[in-house]
Amino acid sequence: DTGVSQDPRHKITKRGQNVTFRCDPISEHNRLYWYRQTLGQGPEFLTYFQNEAQLEKSRLLSDRFSAERPKGSFSTLEIQRTEQGDSAMYLCASSQRTGIGYEQYFGPGTRLTVT
Amino acid sequence: TQLLEQSPQFLSIQEGENLTVYCNSSSVFSSLQWYRQEPGEGPVLLVTVVTGGEVKKLKRLTFQFGDARKDSSLHITAAQPGDTGLYLCAGVRGNTPLVFGKGTRLSVIA
Repeated sequence: DTGVSQDPRHKITKRGQNVTFRCDPISEHNRLYWYRQTLGQGPEFLTYFQNEAQLEKSRLLSDRFSAERPKGSFSTLEIQRTEQGDSAMYLCASSQRTGIGYEQYFGPGTRLTVT
Repeated sequence: TQLLEQSPQFLSIQEGENLTVYCNSSSVFSSLQWYRQEPGEGPVLLVTVVTGGEVKKLKRLTFQFGDARKDSSLHITAAQPGDTGLYLCAGVRGNTPLVFGKGTRLSVIA
């Protein structure tokens, strides 16, 4: 399977704990994105990378959130001191430039539940 | 204020019926993408429309981009239970990140 993969698929944690999620993009894609989706909403942009450079961060991304893509391949999203409001589906997507711009392909997501 | 408004929010129809869902904005987009998402999974890209007035067909699905590139529609002919899911539209403006609507949740009953 050469699609976007995410690990873990599900994570249950207690409030105040730190969690880290991993995303492996489609191998030839140079852009990688993180989104958050809550019930009844569409995905909301958090941040994106072009190769290893983090080019944009949303105001949604508080200081407790940090993302890395150290070698321009896989990426990690860490949430420190989790809060109940962090419960959501965290989605990763990747893309590369084509004739019609950057089409994003999503992974299956990581469902986070903070108790 | 939602940049992209999708309507209806929910739609429940019988197998074999036709339907249209809408994605509207007051902003101009350089391109617009439609995705389908099933529960517990990530969105799956269906199509990208780029040119104002463009029509693209994907089997029984017809996508249209408005002439002014502010709106789009998705028409499904002879809906089947396998079409059930959350349909999301997402717009691109320049170098800004993809902006999603809240989606239309479609249920097709056999």
